[in-house]
Amino acid sequence: GIQVEQSPPDLILQEGANSTLRCNFSDSVNNLQWFHQNPWGQLINLFYIPSGTKQNGRLSATTVATERYSLLYISSSQTTDSGVYFCAVTGSRTLTFGKGTMLLVSP
Amino acid sequence: SQTIHQWPATLVQPVGSPLSLECTVEGTSNPNLYWYRQAAGRGLQLLFYSVGIGQISSEVPQNLSASRPQDRQFILSSKKLLLSDSGFYLCAWSVRVTGFYNSPLHFGNGTRLTVT
Repeated sequence: GIQVEQSPPDLILQEGANSTLRCNFSDSVNNLQWFHQNPWGQLINLFYIPSGTKQNGRLSATTVATERYSLLYISSSQTTDSGVYFCAVTGSRTLTFGKGTMLLVSP
Repeated sequence: SQTIHQWPATLVQPVGSPLSLECTVEGTSNPNLYWYRQAAGRGLQLLFYSVGIGQISSEVPQNLSASRPQDRQFILSSKKLLLSDSGFYLCAWSVRVTGFYNSPLHFGNGTRLTVT
């Protein structure tokens, strides 16, 4: 099956800093999604982005499917951005999640 | 807008007891529905998915079962819980389109199950 690797595994930021999270995948995919899981466990879909770039407020994502990676940008981070960020890719019939990047934003 | 409700939020059950977790979706019709489990260490494991009433596909053989008695209702059950069933259970839905996972996946708030 498709392998999904996320980096870094853990990240600590000061409030206001910017960051880039990366998702690499081992094979061609039909689409890709980014999720944020807050400290209470709520899992929110951030982006559905099979290719190209999308922006939503301070967050943006870029997927380069031909090179098998996606990037999630967080600008001017806030403490509420803390949590785990997952990317998930779809191959033929399955959705494969990465192991996530745990982000801690300190005030 | 669409919303997904999942309950209960937390549950503590003794080994050998039955389980029933319920999930309902509002604001959409004919959704695909999913049950995931998240053990400690972040990994998300797909347990069941359903593309319609009474249509259940199991991804992992285990002590659990799922049912979809109505279009927007998905139930996760067990007749006898094991210690290894402890975990965080998440229900999810997506718009039914051609192909698999070709629309955004939306999760409920989850049920934290502890089997003692």
